[in-house]
Amino acid sequence: ILNVEQSPQSLHVQEGDSTNFTCSFPSSNFYALHWYRWETAKSPEALFVMTLNGDEKKKGRISATLNTKEGYSYLYIKGSQPEDSATYLCAFPDTSGTYKYIFGTGTRLKVLA
Amino acid sequence: DTGVSQDPRHKITKRGQNVTFRCDPISEHNRLYWYRQTLGQGPEFLTYFQNEAQLEKSRLLSDRFSAERPKGSFSTLEIQRTEQGDSAMYLCASSFFGGQGAKGGTQYFGPGTRLTVL
Repeated sequence: ILNVEQSPQSLHVQEGDSTNFTCSFPSSNFYALHWYRWETAKSPEALFVMTLNGDEKKKGRISATLNTKEGYSYLYIKGSQPEDSATYLCAFPDTSGTYKYIFGTGTRLKVLA
Repeated sequence: DTGVSQDPRHKITKRGQNVTFRCDPISEHNRLYWYRQTLGQGPEFLTYFQNEAQLEKSRLLSDRFSAERPKGSFSTLEIQRTEQGDSAMYLCASSFFGGQGAKGGTQYFGPGTRLTVL
């Protein structure tokens, strides 16, 4: 069974702090890794698609890196703001079958003003 | 296109009743997914379609759950004889899948249907 793990499960930081979370996935048969942000009462929103080992993607204060050989991706938030409070999800396709996506349990971030 | 829509947004029902949810995906997307999300968990895969074909159904899904996508456009998810354990957020997402050699496949999510079974 494909396992996608995220850590930590939850995180409280002060406004202005920088933070990072981890997504771990099977390193064999890598296809792509997706990051999503899910704010309360909204739909999950796509942040990044990571496809190549060593990829680094950036969107404003948020960036992500990818290591396919060791099976992890980091998401970084620089200078956290209250509006960054959300659940951050990573998703990995099950390449042994029909490429459905398996989601991690998410990291719930709360940024305190 | 206005994105993925779901109807209803909220549903309260009594145990034993049947409920049906609808999802309208982004029109050019060929894949449509259903997920269930409970407190503290990520979206749990239920089933998905490529065009009108149901490609996979989670083994965790009981026979009380059925999904259709009759014309490869909108989809419905029906739960028969609801139980309190069915209370959850039901999310729909759509994507364009260009084949195994293609990268991407970003899923676009609807707002979800929150089901409460009393």
